[in-house]
Amino acid sequence: LAKTTQPISMDSYEGQEVNITCSHNNIATNDYITWYQQFPSQGPRFIIQGYKTKVTNEVASLFIPADRKSSTLSLPRVSLSDTAVYYCLVGVPMDSSYKLIFGSGTRLLVRP
Amino acid sequence: GAVVSQHPSWVICKSGTSVKIECRSLDFQATTMFWYRQFPKQSLMLMATSNEGSKATYEQGVEKDKFLINHASLTLSTLTVTSAHPEDSSFYICSALGGLAGELFFGEGSRLTVL
Repeated sequence: LAKTTQPISMDSYEGQEVNITCSHNNIATNDYITWYQQFPSQGPRFIIQGYKTKVTNEVASLFIPADRKSSTLSLPRVSLSDTAVYYCLVGVPMDSSYKLIFGSGTRLLVRP
Repeated sequence: GAVVSQHPSWVICKSGTSVKIECRSLDFQATTMFWYRQFPKQSLMLMATSNEGSKATYEQGVEKDKFLINHASLTLSTLTVTSAHPEDSSFYICSALGGLAGELFFGEGSRLTVL
């Protein structure tokens, strides 16, 4: 299982764009990259998933370079409610042995 | 989107008692469910993989006789913490694999406090 490395914490201000980078040097060919958000005392919530290049949805963008050894979650114009822990995970969706191993995550603090 | 529900959301029990936590997939069938444990300010730690109709697969260091997992149907998995002790106090989270893209959906979590 590929291990992921993220910054432990990040600070930002309301309205700014936040980019959180994750390293996954040992990512396997079939692995997808998935990001989750977690608020205190809640289960993680799916943000975005991608395999290569760029993926965008209504809440975030995910940038994946050609070598796929890293990925960057981009949150446009963050608000106070985006203060949370963000986890980057790699694995093969729909595989019967699919299981996600969580790394330390990045604790994002958005200030007014 | 798909929903996974846990019950109870919080429970307080006396040391030595057993506590059961339920995890249900509400609008999809989940052949595979996962149980995690999370201590304050720490990441989620995978405890076991629960497969419908078969025995759960436990991660290294997790006592299978301590944490009993039953996945009797495609929509329900249960985690029973047997003879709970204060060190078992934690936030327990389940997840279920579903959806067309193999998305992993998480429950709301269950906070266990053992006195």
